Amino acid sequence: ETGVTQTPRHLVMGMTNKKSLKCEQHLGHNAMYWYKQSAKKPLELMFVYSLEERVENNSVPSRFSPECPNSSHLFLHLHTLQPEDSALYLCASSQDRGMGYEQYFGPGTRLTVT
Amino acid sequence: GENVEQHPSTLSVQEGDSAVIKCTYSDSASNYFPWYKQELGKRPQLIIDIRSNVGEKKDQRIAVTLNKTAKHFSLHITETQPEDSAVYFCAASIVGYGNKLVFGAGTILRVKS
Repeated sequence: ETGVTQTPRHLVMGMTNKKSLKCEQHLGHNAMYWYKQSAKKPLELMFVYSLEERVENNSVPSRFSPECPNSSHLFLHLHTLQPEDSALYLCASSQDRGMGYEQYFGPGTRLTVT
Repeated sequence: GENVEQHPSTLSVQEGDSAVIKCTYSDSASNYFPWYKQELGKRPQLIIDIRSNVGEKKDQRIAVTLNKTAKHFSLHITETQPEDSAVYFCAASIVGYGNKLVFGAGTILRVKS
């Protein structure tokens, strides 16, 4: 597998469930990102990890909890979500502090909260 | 913090015509401005980017211009083709410790053949 992968691709969960989204990058990058994409809204940056250290938490509710165990893996742990959290969750990676700043996106996880 | 506004929200052009999408940003410290294309059901992909030390950049039918004084940048697509139909997003960031992109709301481009 090359590039940035995400699992699962689709997820339906109840408001009382606990689930996790997984992202893996195979590009040798050292920065990883979580974005939320909702209908009719801009892509919203949620979390940034650079060199495995969280450098941004964009006022995201605590029901979203990120984890970055190493530079290739990123998780988003979900618990007690609300219906308005239904969206496409995109992971991205980039080479931080290098010449190229491009962020490579994964295919996303389509999350539906019932 | 940074705020990026993008116009128009939808744009329809005839095949072969040019398309222009404009973005403005608020933080004068921003120094990196990428454009992403997202086709229906697919992931966003970078099509072109520009850094603040450059005023214009071109790649085949795509060009981006940057006016730092006015704090706006534009995407120009010439000789549009049906496969250019997609949603286009501009973004701005201050490159440093983690590239924290702030995206515009997106422009739906439809190229009619």
